[in-house]
Amino acid sequence: DAKTTQPTSMDCAEGRAANLPCNHSTISGNEYVYWYRQIHSQGPQYIIHGLKNNETNEMASLIITEDRKSSTLILPHATLRDTAVYYCIANLQGGSEKLVFGKGTKLTVNP
Amino acid sequence: DTEVTQTPKHLVMGMTNKKSLKCEQHMGHRAMYWYKQKAKKPPELMFVYSYEKLSINESVPSRFSPECPNSSLLNLHLHALQPEDSALYLCASSQGLRGWENIQYFGAGTRLSVL
Repeated sequence: DAKTTQPTSMDCAEGRAANLPCNHSTISGNEYVYWYRQIHSQGPQYIIHGLKNNETNEMASLIITEDRKSSTLILPHATLRDTAVYYCIANLQGGSEKLVFGKGTKLTVNP
Repeated sequence: DTEVTQTPKHLVMGMTNKKSLKCEQHMGHRAMYWYKQKAKKPPELMFVYSYEKLSINESVPSRFSPECPNSSLLNLHLHALQPEDSALYLCASSQGLRGWENIQYFGAGTRLSVL
């Protein structure tokens, strides 16, 4: 699995878009990018994943660069409840069943 | 329903005690996982079960003994633990191990303190 690099922490104002970057420069062609988040004292929660194309669901959007070396998770209208640690994971779809969590980004949404 | 239920939520045990953590899901998932998470650290995989059989053991000490009685239940038996085993223990499940099936759903965890 490719190594991912994320900023340690970020701040966002409530109601504004939160853009969380992830660098995965060693990603291989068949590795997907997954995003999970962990709200304090809870278990991790799946958010979204993608391979090449941008993806959107009810929680977030995932923008993957054309060279696939980086991606951005977008929370379009952040709320206080979005304060959490966000993990970006590059994982081999159809390969390893392991999720290797990196250190993640602590997002704080401020009122 | 995407719920994974873990009991108990909190557990305090002595180093000579024997206790068990329980995990249950009713999503029809065939893969279940145990993770360990120390404070301010990311979760680390311990065990993976697929179709009720142990698929992965990440070199976990034998004082941790997993058990999968059926496809909905996963236990973690604890014996002779050390204080450094104090952590949040997370259970997860997924439809399967490959591809789209491997989106994992996590429980809220059991916070374990070993005295």
